Amino acid sequence: AQTVTQSQPEMSVQEAETVTLSCTYDTSENNYYLFWYKQPPSRQMILVIRQEAYKQQNATENRFSVNFQKAAKSFSLKISDSQLGDTAMYFCAFMKQETSGSRLTFGEGTQLTVNP
Amino acid sequence: DSGVTQTPKHLITATGQRVTLRCSPRSGDLSVYWYQQSLDQGLQFLIQYYNGEERAKGNILERFSAQQFPDLHSELNLSSLELGDSALYFCASSSPNEPGGRYGYTFGSGTRLTVV
Repeated sequence: AQTVTQSQPEMSVQEAETVTLSCTYDTSENNYYLFWYKQPPSRQMILVIRQEAYKQQNATENRFSVNFQKAAKSFSLKISDSQLGDTAMYFCAFMKQETSGSRLTFGEGTQLTVNP
Repeated sequence: DSGVTQTPKHLITATGQRVTLRCSPRSGDLSVYWYQQSLDQGLQFLIQYYNGEERAKGNILERFSAQQFPDLHSELNLSSLELGDSALYFCASSSPNEPGGRYGYTFGSGTRLTVV
């Protein structure tokens, strides 16, 4: 079974600064996907960024980027130029590659607070 | 609007009662997933349906059951409710055209269940 670990329950950052959220996972699979989801106070789950394990290039979406280290089974999220609206719970998630759809396994989350 | 519709948004009921949560997946999506998020916790996978068939089970209690209908909407039935069942219940869907759901799931806005 896959497990996802987020070792930072809470983090804070000043507006406009950069912050990195950590995530490690354990799997015996070779093909899989990794995701970061954001859950703001509204509780809506919002996809932030995704990474395909077979791609060596780190994914980037505007101010969000990842550092994917497959051998180390590490998948960290970097948020640049932090904004107040980035305040949210961030979940790292793992998905096996299956054509019929596969469950997402989530970490416990990191509560990020962006301070003005 | 994510395209995944969950009803009702809020539900308050007494212990011992039975409730039904409903989910309509995004148009074209065949897979439906149910997750439970207790207060300040991560998301726990309950069950997955793919085109009407149960595909995977997670930490779903025997008091809980689900089904996916021919029109692909899904219902999660919770019976003999206990105080500890109070949680946010998410439904999500994914597309067969995105093998492994590589773009992640699309989540509904959740149903907030309060058992009193």
